Amino acid sequence: VQLVESGGGLVKPGGSLRLSCAASGFSFSNTWMSWVRQAPGKGLEWVGRVKSKSDGGTTDYAAPVKGRFSISRDDSKNTLYLQINSLKTEDTAVYYCATVAGKFGYWGQGTLVTVSS
Amino acid sequence: QSVLTQSPSLSGAPGQRVTISCTGSTSNIGAGYDVHWYQQLPGTAPKLLIYGNDNRPSGVPVRFSGSKSGTSASLAISGLQAEDEADYYCQSYDSSLSGYVFGPGTKVTVL
Repeated sequence: VQLVESGGGLVKPGGSLRLSCAASGFSFSNTWMSWVRQAPGKGLEWVGRVKSKSDGGTTDYAAPVKGRFSISRDDSKNTLYLQINSLKTEDTAVYYCATVAGKFGYWGQGTLVTVSS
Repeated sequence: QSVLTQSPSLSGAPGQRVTISCTGSTSNIGAGYDVHWYQQLPGTAPKLLIYGNDNRPSGVPVRFSGSKSGTSASLAISGLQAEDEADYYCQSYDSSLSGYVFGPGTKVTVL
C-alpha cells in the first residue's frame, strides 16, 4: 500500500489549493478515503471522508472546514483530491490522506500547506 | 477542544509498563464505537498501532495492548523501549459530531 500526497505549498489567505493523493497497492475504488491534517506542533484533526462509489460516493466533513473544503476521487486514476478554498491562516498544516474503515489504516507521508501573506 | 481527552505526557524508564488513557463520552466511546490508537514518531506520519479496541496490526510488537471499558480506553506499553518515544493518539467516531475524532495526543518520553 502506498499513498503519496502532493500539491501543498505557500498560499495567501483567501486563496485556493488542490491537494492530490496517488494510491497504489490496494483496491482504491472499493476503499473509503479520508483527509487528516496536523497543524505545526499540534494534534491530528479529521478533515473529511469520501465513501467508495459502490457505497454511494458521498462525502462528510468536519465542522471547521464544511463549505470550504471539497473531497473528490477519480477511481480511473486511483487518486484522491482535496480542494481547499478561502484559505485561512489556521488551515496551515500537514495534510495526510488515509484509508478509512472506522480506523485510519494506511497513511501517506503528508503535504505541507502554509497560509501566509 | 477535543471530545476525547488524554494526558498530555508521561514518562518511564526502559522496561517499565506505562498506560495511556483516553476518556470520551456517551456519544463516542460510550456509544459503542471502537477505539483505535496511533503512534507518531518524530517527523513521520502516524501509524496504526491498535485497532478495534484491542487488536494489533501485523508487525506491531506484542508489548503494545489496548482495552476499552465504558466511556474510556487505554493503551499499555509493557517493557518500554527507547524506540517507543513518540506521540500516541486515540481515535473513535462521534455520533453527535457525525465524524471521526482524535484525542489530543500523549507524548511518551523514555528516561
